[in-house]
Amino acid sequence: GENVEQHPSTLSVQEGDSAVIKCTYSDSASNYFPWYKQELGKRPQLIIDIRSNVGEKKDQRIAVTLNKTAKHFSLHITETQPEDSAVYFCAASTTGTASKLTFGTGTRLQVTL
Amino acid sequence: NAGVTQTPKFQVLKTGQSMTLQCAQDMNHEYMSWYRQDPGMGLRLIHYSVGAGITDQGEVPNGYNVSRSTTEDFPLRLLSAAPSQTSVYFCASSYSGVPGYTFGSGTRLTVV
Repeated sequence: GENVEQHPSTLSVQEGDSAVIKCTYSDSASNYFPWYKQELGKRPQLIIDIRSNVGEKKDQRIAVTLNKTAKHFSLHITETQPEDSAVYFCAASTTGTASKLTFGTGTRLQVTL
Repeated sequence: NAGVTQTPKFQVLKTGQSMTLQCAQDMNHEYMSWYRQDPGMGLRLIHYSVGAGITDQGEVPNGYNVSRSTTEDFPLRLLSAAPSQTSVYFCASSYSGVPGYTFGSGTRLTVV
């Protein structure tokens, strides 16, 4: 089955700096890569996703890049703000009737003033 | 739309007790799944269903049962609770083949 590794496990940045979280996956059949943000005590919420036919996707201060050859994808957050502090999860899956999302172990991002 | 509704929000069980975690969605999603979240381990898939009457095992199915008699509901049963099942449980749903999951608010379960 799919295996997703995520690094780093914790990340501390100063407000206004950029943050980068990296993930690798094992199953070359995976073609859908979402990122979830989870605030303390809350449910995971989808913030951005990318499909394998696209190399990069951007949404305001958040961007995701995908390298299918190397089987890795990354989340980039620019101009970080205190409200970006949360745990971020990457995930990978195929798309199809029985697709299953496999999650990374999470990155705790702390944005300090 | 209520989205994905999970009950209860908190539960304490004694070892050996059984219970059912409820999950319901009102978005007509075919796909529903259960994850458990443990510190440092991310979210791990327990069971999933691609439609009414169809269920399958995920990564960590032992000690849990599911059924899917309707599109809306996907309950998770703990047969004989163990301390190792102390965790936060999330139900999620999506349209079939489009894994943009909507998560429920979670159930925090403690087994003593």
